[in-house]
Amino acid sequence: GAVVSQHPSWVICKSGTSVKIECRSLDFQATTMFWYRQFPKQSLMLMATSNEGSKATYEQGVEKDKFLINHASLTLSTLTVTSAHPEDSSFYICSAGPSGRDLNIQYFGAGTRLSVL
Amino acid sequence: SQQGEEDPQALSIQEGENATMNCSYKTSINNLQWYRQNSGRGLVHLILIRSNEREKHSGRLRVTLDTSKKSSSLLITASRAADTASYFCATDATGANSKLTFGKGITLSVRP
Repeated sequence: GAVVSQHPSWVICKSGTSVKIECRSLDFQATTMFWYRQFPKQSLMLMATSNEGSKATYEQGVEKDKFLINHASLTLSTLTVTSAHPEDSSFYICSAGPSGRDLNIQYFGAGTRLSVL
Repeated sequence: SQQGEEDPQALSIQEGENATMNCSYKTSINNLQWYRQNSGRGLVHLILIRSNEREKHSGRLRVTLDTSKKSSSLLITASRAADTASYFCATDATGANSKLTFGKGITLSVRP
């Protein structure tokens, strides 16, 4: 149990286009999901907390108009990188924890590698 | 912000040896977790230790927690080549469905 699916796993796009990444909890409901960005050989940097039915909470320094997050249901959150540029190239990972649990164990998607040309 | 700091940053051992990784953190925590990441993949939860626990075991994993020193260690016994991965500690300061703060990670290489 507790499987998180992330799609696509790899995307190449031209500069100026937008890219949508989906994060689904397959066998549990998640009122909260998290989006991270990871640079090569570095740790995870939390970008935002996605809240079902409400606006996402962005970390300091993360442009909310650049990285649009939508959490329309208890099993799906999407991250849209708008007007992508080469500096947005990175590895993006989502995570979720089952609602109602008292321990904050996070289950991660497999990640999306974005390359902007 | 990165609260956890692991050391060493990289560790290379021979298959069959034990691997010990350390993590230090700065603030009070509810629990501390260790995750594993294979190259180019998402993270996998390994083990969680609560703030009122001092030691926990799971298979070949042993984790300790010293809240007075704000530090934790992860021991992998009888390492295997398949243990080669990056390992991260993560702290949970505020409870369920709250954000985790990850350390910088340790790259473990197990030579066959």
